[in-house]
Amino acid sequence: DVKVTQSSRYLVKRTGEKVFLECVQDMDHENMFWYRQDPGLGLRLIYFSYDVKMKEKGDIPEGYSVSREKKERFSLILESASTNQTSMYLCASSFLGAGGLYEQYFGPGTRLTVT
Amino acid sequence: TQLLEQSPQFLSIQEGENLTVYCNSSSVFSSLQWYRQEPGEGPVLLVTVVTGGEVKKLKRLTFQFGDARKDSSLHITAAQPGDTGLYLCAGAPENQLIWGAGTKLIIKP
Repeated sequence: DVKVTQSSRYLVKRTGEKVFLECVQDMDHENMFWYRQDPGLGLRLIYFSYDVKMKEKGDIPEGYSVSREKKERFSLILESASTNQTSMYLCASSFLGAGGLYEQYFGPGTRLTVT
Repeated sequence: TQLLEQSPQFLSIQEGENLTVYCNSSSVFSSLQWYRQEPGEGPVLLVTVVTGGEVKKLKRLTFQFGDARKDSSLHITAAQPGDTGLYLCAGAPENQLIWGAGTKLIIKP
């Protein structure tokens, strides 16, 4: 079974804190993605990575950074958390290739609340 | 900006009824995927459609890709409470997926 795991299911942080969200996949997938999901807005891509140490900005990268030091692990960093970053964060992975032809496998999500 | 619009945003029906939800765009997609997301979980792929006019069936779920590859529909026959969830469509114009906002479906026993 493909597994994508995320470090926390729920997280509460204070404004200004540095926040790390970790994602690990066990399928040897080249691609890894970080999305945020807000009601009525669907999934919005923050960053993705197609190889170790490679990263590409998605649609909403402002306020976020990422790190991929190993193929199986992709980290999302909120340098200074703000209340408008309160959201559900979803990590996904897939094989490299034509974007729409490969299934994305998702983790269970991290619900982050910034107070 | 390419957009995928899903309708309706919310649908609540009784067990046993039929329903159709839609995913529409003004842009052409090379392929389109449907995912289902249950509360507290990530989305899970149901189907990928690639060819214009293609119809795929998954038990009681029927997926259709429009002839022009700009839209898709999901029809559920005799809906069951286990079908409850958020149904998301995602289209691939090139190398990234563009996501719709989803249809939240509730099937009441």
